[in-house]
This record gives sequence, structure tokens and C-alpha cells, in this order.
Amino acid sequence: ESVLTQSPGTLSLSPGERAALSCRASQTVSTNYLAWYQQKPGQPPRILVYAVSTRATGVPDRFSGSGSGTDFTLTISRLEPEDFAVYYCQQYGTSPTFGQGTKLEIK
Amino acid sequence: VQLVQSGGGLVQPGRSLTLSCTGSGFTFGDYIMNWVRQAPGKGLEWVGFIRTKANGGTTEYAASVKGRFTISRDDSKSIAYLQMNSLETEDTAVYYCSRRVAATFWGQGTLVTVSS
Repeated sequence: ESVLTQSPGTLSLSPGERAALSCRASQTVSTNYLAWYQQKPGQPPRILVYAVSTRATGVPDRFSGSGSGTDFTLTISRLEPEDFAVYYCQQYGTSPTFGQGTKLEIK
Repeated sequence: VQLVQSGGGLVQPGRSLTLSCTGSGFTFGDYIMNWVRQAPGKGLEWVGFIRTKANGGTTEYAASVKGRFTISRDDSKSIAYLQMNSLETEDTAVYYCSRRVAATFWGQGTLVTVSS
């Protein structure tokens, strides 16, 4: 089972700033099966990116995913007020796992 | 596309509970159906999934639930099931179903509370 470690645990930024969220896997993520989700309280997760860098339908282009192997990054180029939430990475091979989450909070 | 969940509630430790996830707006049998849970105030935990009948209808489970939980599907009714046996207090969570593992579409979530 691949363990995903996200950093930082909490990120405090202001609207308009750039955010970079990290996800490190304990094993190489096979076939680039790496996704990013945003979750707000009381809601199911919302997929942002899959296959490392493919934005899901309807996701603004300020969200971008990158990386390979064991190191991945979700970048939000200019934070909007609605972007403050918890973010999870997920590897979706045969035995999927999630990272523990990064809370993006308003500074 | 819509996924509607039912079947949550309060259950005593050691007892069983079955959750349902009814799909609409898509050809249910063409998709892997997946379950994820979230304990109160905690992160997301993958529970398991069931492949399509075309791919054998086989299942995969997280180690924490393997042998206690069973996922099944009835494509004629567009329903996926999560049968949970020998429930433990640590199974208390909101349970979500989703279409596919890298999921665009999710159910609304249903709370399962395991407590005496």
C-alpha cells in the first residue's frame, strides 16, 4: 500500500497569492494514477485534477497539477475566496489511498 | 448523473448495517462503484470498490475492513451496496459512494454511528 504524505498540514495565505500543495508517495505512483480533491465542510469531495495534471471538467485554470514518480504538486495560481478549503491527494491504483489533507486557510 | 445514498444510522458494536447507493442518469453497469468514508473531523479513507460485470465484478477492500465489509451491485436496479458486519466504534464515519475511484460524481454521504 502506497502511503501519501501531504505538506504542509495547514497553509495560511491571502486571496490573490499563489499556493503550492505537496503530496509525496512512499512508492512510485503507477500509470500516473494521482488525483487531487477539494473538500468543504458538509460536502463530498470535488475532484480537481486526475492523471497528475488533467483538470476535471469545469475546474478553473488557476488549478494545475504536476509531478511524477513519488512527488506531486497542486498549484493554485491566484487564490480566490472560495478556494479556502481542505485538499487531498489520492493515488487510485488497485489499492487506493488518500493523503491526510492540507487545510488552506485565510491569513 | 446522480447518486443517492440510504441506509445509515445508529448501530451497536458487533452488529451489521447495509448502505445503498442508487445511480441515475448514466448506464450504471458500465462503471466501477466505489466507497469512501470520513470519520468525524478526520480525512478521507478509501473503503473498497466493485468492478463492472464486464471486468468480472470483482472487489477490492482496504485492509481495515477486509473480511467484515462486502460490496455488491445490482445493475438491473442501478444500486451498489456496502454490507458492513462486525461493526466497531472506529467504523463511525460519513460513508460516501462514488462513480469510479478517481471520482467526479459522489453520493451525498450517509452517517453511520457505531455506539452502544
